[in-house]
Amino acid sequence: SQELEQSPQSLIVQEGKNLTINCTSSKTLYGLYWYKQKYGEGLIFLMMLQKGGEEKSHEKITAKLDEKKQQSSLHITASQPSHAGIYLCGADRSGGSYIPTFGRGTSLIVHP
Amino acid sequence: DSGVTQTPKHLITATGQRVTLRCSPRSGDLSVYWYQQSLDQGLQFLIQYYNGEERAKGNILERFSAQQFPDLHSELNLSSLELGDSALYFCASSGWTRPGELFFGEGSRLTVL
Repeated sequence: SQELEQSPQSLIVQEGKNLTINCTSSKTLYGLYWYKQKYGEGLIFLMMLQKGGEEKSHEKITAKLDEKKQQSSLHITASQPSHAGIYLCGADRSGGSYIPTFGRGTSLIVHP
Repeated sequence: DSGVTQTPKHLITATGQRVTLRCSPRSGDLSVYWYQQSLDQGLQFLIQYYNGEERAKGNILERFSAQQFPDLHSELNLSSLELGDSALYFCASSGWTRPGELFFGEGSRLTVL
């Protein structure tokens, strides 16, 4: 099964700062997903990356999948309190399954 | 609002008991997924149904079972409950037009005492 490591585990930043969250896999990623979870709520889909070198943006959030397809980074520009929550990366359980297996998540707090 | 409805939102029960969690997917979505989220295990995939048929199985215990009905709603049955089953149980659904984009409900928080 796919094992994903996210770093950092938690992050506290001042509003307006940029930040990066990393997701690393020991195996080739066939599909990489980023979701956001507000505390105590359900997950919200942010984006899916499939091709090596692919980069996508959603508002001020940009995610990229490296060429080797074993690492993804999520970058938030000019963070806002609304960005606070838990960011989870997920990977296909098996190629083409479109069923995410998730990492442990990164908790983000943004101070106004 | 994701369009996925889960009931109940909160449930407190005792060890050894059985509970049923219910999920109504987004209108038109044929796939339903169940996930369990706990502090020690993180978010674990349990099972997927597609149009009434079991499609994929994850880390679902034998004490747990699920089904999807003709109207596409799904139920997750948890029996012989143990303290360690206390968790947030999420249901998600997806459509065929954007595979990989799961729409999650707000979850059912189960506390086993």
